[in-house]
Amino acid sequence: KQEVTQIPAALSVPEGENLVLNCSFTDSAIYNLQWFRQDPGKGLTSLLLIQSSQREQTSGRLNASLDKSSGRSTLYIAASQPGDSATYLCAVNGNGNKLVFGAGTILRVKS
Amino acid sequence: DVKVTQSSRYLVKRTGEKVFLECVQDMDHENMFWYRQDPGLGLRLIYFSYDVKMKEKGDIPEGYSVSREKKERFSLILESASTNQTSMYLCASSWPTPPRELFFGEGSRLTVL
Repeated sequence: KQEVTQIPAALSVPEGENLVLNCSFTDSAIYNLQWFRQDPGKGLTSLLLIQSSQREQTSGRLNASLDKSSGRSTLYIAASQPGDSATYLCAVNGNGNKLVFGAGTILRVKS
Repeated sequence: DVKVTQSSRYLVKRTGEKVFLECVQDMDHENMFWYRQDPGLGLRLIYFSYDVKMKEKGDIPEGYSVSREKKERFSLILESASTNQTSMYLCASSWPTPPRELFFGEGSRLTVL
């Protein structure tokens, strides 16, 4: 059974710092991996999706990498801003339809 | 932009009531999903549907049923609400073909008293 772990559980950084969020999964037979952002009391917003054949995806200040063989993905946020404060979740798609989610990393960027 | 709309953002119901949570998507997605999210337990899949009138149980289907009469609409039904069903409910949709990106609604916060 696929298990997804996110480290750290919480992170507090000063504005302007570059940071890395980690996601690991136990079964490397994945179809894709998706990173989401969730603001308090809201739904999930898709940030980046990486297909299993890809190594990384970039969107603005965000860069996500995927190492399928080691079961790891990282989300890199450059020049963090207070508006980046949210919970970040990664989710692994193993059988084409259902995602398994990590517990999330709560990020706080201090101004 | 993809739009997934959940009809009720906040609901308060009493134990034993029948509850309907509605979700509509405007991107002609075949796949639709219902999750619940609880502190410490993360997101758990309740049911999903890959076509009209088709449904499949997720990880925690007990106490829930679903209806998909039209492609754009996926309803979650609590036949007899209980206090342990107090939660945030999230609807999502995707195409069945690559890239299969999942899009979520804003969520429905249900409180059962």
